[in-house]
Amino acid sequence: RKEVEQDPGPFNVPEGATVAFNCTYSNSASQSFFWYRQDCRKEPKLLMSVYSSGNEDGRFTAQLNRASQYISLLIRDSKLSDSATYLCVVNKRTGNQFYFGTGTSLTVIP
Amino acid sequence: DVKVTQSSRYLVKRTGEKVFLECVQDMDHENMFWYRQDPGLGLRLIYFSYDVKMKEKGDIPEGYSVSREKKERFSLILESASTNQTSMYLCASSSAWGTASNYGYTFGSGTRLTVV
Repeated sequence: RKEVEQDPGPFNVPEGATVAFNCTYSNSASQSFFWYRQDCRKEPKLLMSVYSSGNEDGRFTAQLNRASQYISLLIRDSKLSDSATYLCVVNKRTGNQFYFGTGTSLTVIP
Repeated sequence: DVKVTQSSRYLVKRTGEKVFLECVQDMDHENMFWYRQDPGLGLRLIYFSYDVKMKEKGDIPEGYSVSREKKERFSLILESASTNQTSMYLCASSSAWGTASNYGYTFGSGTRLTVV
């Protein structure tokens, strides 16, 4: 079983739509969770950390469900510029190493 | 602004060549990492380092070695390049002092290596 699993998509949504991605992780001892964004042929960049109580940054909302071992990312009012691959990232039990999901591809259509 | 710099954006090498990929960070980070990224496989950890002259194998170290002689520089070495090492190579760094838990990694812009 993979450490982090994501639906690869692709998700094709119209501008203004709300879209949600889920990600499951296998290590119940994981403590740190992130969503990264990766544009085509570019490096991954941190989008937001995911906190236990859930957190919001503008149009983006991240949630963590420890009992079911999944995290989610909700994007409201999608923009064309949101088109990218979204990577779910979870830390290993020890140290500052992280597991990366293979990414979910989003295309926002005009 | 925090920065991780990889020396080459694109590289083409021949099978059997020794290849050096360089990574420099200016954030005084203790931790540095080398990943490769392939379609459908995501990012896979090759090697990492928590301190100068220290190195640890990641998940796929075979065919690679690393060098960390200075805190800011972490080099990935392909001893004898093969076609299955054609990939995007990403260097990353993070602080050792807990902030990785909040901020994760900072990545370099990547080196797309093609071995022919």
